[in-house]
This record gives sequence, structure tokens and C-alpha cells, in this order.
Amino acid sequence: AQTVTQSQPEMSVQEAETVTLSCTYDTSESDYYLFWYKQPPSRQMILVIRQEAYKQQNATENRFSVNFQKAAKSFSLKISDSQLGDAAMYFCASSNYGGSQGNLIFGKGTKLSVKP
Amino acid sequence: ETGVTQTPRHLVMGMTNKKSLKCEQHLGHNAMYWYKQSAKKPLELMFVYNFKEQTENNSVPSRFSPECPNSSHLFLHLHTLQPEDSALYLCASSQDGSLFYEQYFGPGTRLTVT
Repeated sequence: AQTVTQSQPEMSVQEAETVTLSCTYDTSESDYYLFWYKQPPSRQMILVIRQEAYKQQNATENRFSVNFQKAAKSFSLKISDSQLGDAAMYFCASSNYGGSQGNLIFGKGTKLSVKP
Repeated sequence: ETGVTQTPRHLVMGMTNKKSLKCEQHLGHNAMYWYKQSAKKPLELMFVYNFKEQTENNSVPSRFSPECPNSSHLFLHLHTLQPEDSALYLCASSQDGSLFYEQYFGPGTRLTVT
């Protein structure tokens, strides 16, 4: 069975600084997707970034980038130039390529605080 | 707000009550999902509907009964719940059930069972 582990229940970062959120996963599949979702205090979850496992290049979306280490099964999220609006719960998730969305597995989340 | 709405936003019910949660998506999607979010636990997928057909039921107790009358609406009927069912219930939708399309989430219904 797939598992996703986020070892940092809480993180804090100073505004304009950089922070990295950790995620490790365990899967027996060779092809899969990895995701980072953000859930602000209003609770509406949104997709931050997505990585296909077959792609070597790390995904980036503006200030958000990932460090995907396939052999180590690690998928960390780096937030650069942190802003107050980045404060939220961040969830790492994985799923199987070619499968249904029903196979999406989430971690427990990391609560990120941003200090002004 | 995204194109996924949920009502009510808050619900308090006794263990003998019957209530329903409603989800509506205005995105033209064909897949819809129910998740349970409890404190200190990972998000748990409950049900998946793809083109109005239920494609996933993650061993959810029968006191939770989903209904998907069309691709835009999803209901979760609740009856004889337990206090441990108190949680945030999230609805989501995507273009279809494949991994290529991202899921769009609603704001959730905060359910308290007394």
C-alpha cells in the first residue's frame, strides 16, 4: 500500500525568507504522480504543484519548486520569498499513473506559519 | 472561492438524526469525491463518482450514503452517526477520474455529532 509521510507537523518562516517542507512516500509503482496541496485557514484546498514521476526535471510554479529525489522517494516543497498569504496547511499526496483519482494518498500535513 | 460549493458550512446533529450534505460544482467536471478530514490524520477518501457512477468506496460505514444524481451534484446522506464521525467533510471535483486533471475542493462542511 502507498504511504505518504510528512515529518514536520509545524514549520515557521520569516517573511521573504525561504522554507522547505519535507515529504517522503512509499510506493511499489514505477509510474506515479506527486502533488502538493495548500489549505489556507478558510479551508478551501488548492493544488500548488504537481510532478510526474517519469520526468527528471523538478516542477516549478513561480515561487514554489520541488526537489524530487526518485531513488530516495523524497518530494520536498521549497517556497521562496515567503509571503504572509503562504501561511496554511500543506499536504503532500501521491497517486499511481494510469490509475483513478481514487488512489490519491495524502500525508498528515505541515502547518506553515509566516512571521512578518 | 472555487467553483465547488458545499452546504451547509456547519452542522451539529445528534446520533439519531438524519441529515444530508450537499456539494455542487460549476466547472463542468465529470468526477466528484467525498473526503473526511480529521485532526492529526491524513485526508481520507470516502467515495468517488465518475460520470455519475460510483467507482470507489473506501470501506466507509453504511451510515454514510452517497448520492450523485448528475455530474454537478453530490450528496452525502448521514444517519445514526457516532461522535467519532465529527470532522470536516470535503467535496472535490475534477474533469474526470484520471490523474491528469487536478482536483478542485470545496470549503467543506464542519460536522459535529453530539
